[in-house]
Amino acid sequence: QKEVEQNSGPLSVPEGAIASLNCTYSDRVSQSFFWYRQYSGKSPELIMSIYSNGDKEDGRFTAQLNKASQYVSLLIRDSQPSDSATYLCAVNSDYKLSFGAGTTVTVRA
Amino acid sequence: GAGVSQSPSNKVTEKGKDVELRCDPISGHTALYWYRQSLGQGLEFLIYFQGNSAPDKSGLPSDRFSAERTGGSVSTLTIQRTQQEDSAVYLCASSRGDSYEQYFGPGTRLTVT
Repeated sequence: QKEVEQNSGPLSVPEGAIASLNCTYSDRVSQSFFWYRQYSGKSPELIMSIYSNGDKEDGRFTAQLNKASQYVSLLIRDSQPSDSATYLCAVNSDYKLSFGAGTTVTVRA
Repeated sequence: GAGVSQSPSNKVTEKGKDVELRCDPISGHTALYWYRQSLGQGLEFLIYFQGNSAPDKSGLPSDRFSAERTGGSVSTLTIQRTQQEDSAVYLCASSRGDSYEQYFGPGTRLTVT
């Protein structure tokens, strides 16, 4: 079983819609959760961190965490073509981060 | 402020040659990580440095790989006797010692011919 699993893509959404990305993790002691955005040919960019159960909003991004279900998600509201990228879920395992394989999002204009 | 920098951005080498990849972390960040990302693959942890502590080398794929960090700042990843399967993007990240938030450099794309 992979440590961090993300919903398989690719995910195609029309401009202005909500993109929903899901991630589950296996290590119950993990306390820190991150979403990275990676444009094609570029390195990952940290866009969200979440540490407590519930929702955390930052602009058009909302991260949701449910530790009991070992589940973290990312919502992108009012999706824009510039949001087209691969989104990586990362979970701390001790001091290291374990990354999911990523979900590729394409926003159709 | 300045982010993580890596050099070179691209490196093409012949099979069997040694290569050195450099990473300069964000100023003040005490933790430094190396990852590898192969085409279509996820991020693979290689090695972790924290301050003056002994590095965690558990992710290094073979003894051809080594890394050092001088003065708690700049790090060099060395791959000896490169093989074609070493072709990948090598990413460096750094973080503050009290945070798991890692910030990545632009990476070095290594191609072994």
